[in-house]
Amino acid sequence: EAQVTQNPRYLITVTGKKLTVTCSQNMNHEYMSWYRQDPGLGLRQIYYSMNVEVTDKGDVPEGYKVSRKEKRNFPLILESPSPNQTSLYFCASQHNLFVTDTQYFGPGTRLTVL
Amino acid sequence: DQQVKQNSPSLSVQEGRISILNCDYTNSMFDYFLWYKKYPAEGPTFLISISSIKDKNEDGRFTVFLNKSAKHLSLHIVPSQPGDSAVYFCAASAGGTSYGKLTFGQGTILTVHP
Repeated sequence: EAQVTQNPRYLITVTGKKLTVTCSQNMNHEYMSWYRQDPGLGLRQIYYSMNVEVTDKGDVPEGYKVSRKEKRNFPLILESPSPNQTSLYFCASQHNLFVTDTQYFGPGTRLTVL
Repeated sequence: DQQVKQNSPSLSVQEGRISILNCDYTNSMFDYFLWYKKYPAEGPTFLISISSIKDKNEDGRFTVFLNKSAKHLSLHIVPSQPGDSAVYFCAASAGGTSYGKLTFGQGTILTVHP
C-alpha cells in the first residue's frame, strides 16, 4: 500500500529538549515536504526536499532542521523546541515538482511543547 | 500575508443539498489549484484540482470552478452526504518547477446533517 508514515503520532515534551519526528514514504517519490497546521492559519510549509541531499526552506523554517540522506526518509528535527512550536505536523511526498501530481500526506504528529 | 484565503471557517448543509466552499487568492502567479479534504486524526487527502487554462473541472459529485479575473475558486458538492463532513483546504501553486510548493488556505469545516 502506498503510504507516508510519521512517528511519533503524539508527543509531549519540554522546552529545549531536542526531538526528531520521522517521515518515510514507500512510493519512490523525489519530493518531500513538512507542514505545520495551526488554527486559523491552515497548513504552512516548513521545509521541503527535491531529492536526496537537496533541501530548502519553506515559509516558516525558523527553529527547524531537516535532512534527506535517503530518498524514502525525511526527518524533521527540533533542536531546541519552544512552546510556539506546539502544532500539528504533516509530512507529504509527491513524485516530483515538475508535474501536477497528487501530494500524499502522512497521518500527522501532534506535538506539545511545555 | 495570507495569499490563499478561505473566509468561511465553517459551513452547515442538509444532506442532499449543494455545498459550496469558496477560496480567494492574491498571487497572480498561481496557476494550479487543488482541494484537499481532511478528516480528524488523518492527513489531508487530495480531492480535485484545476489548471488555470480551465474554468471548470468535474469529478463525480465534486466540481471546482475557477474565475481567474476575480482570483476566486469554488468547490461544489452535489448532492452532499454526511460522509462529506470534514475540513476542506484549498491550495495553490505557481507551476513551472513549483507544482509541489503548495500554499494553503485556512480551511473550512463542512458539516452535512442527515
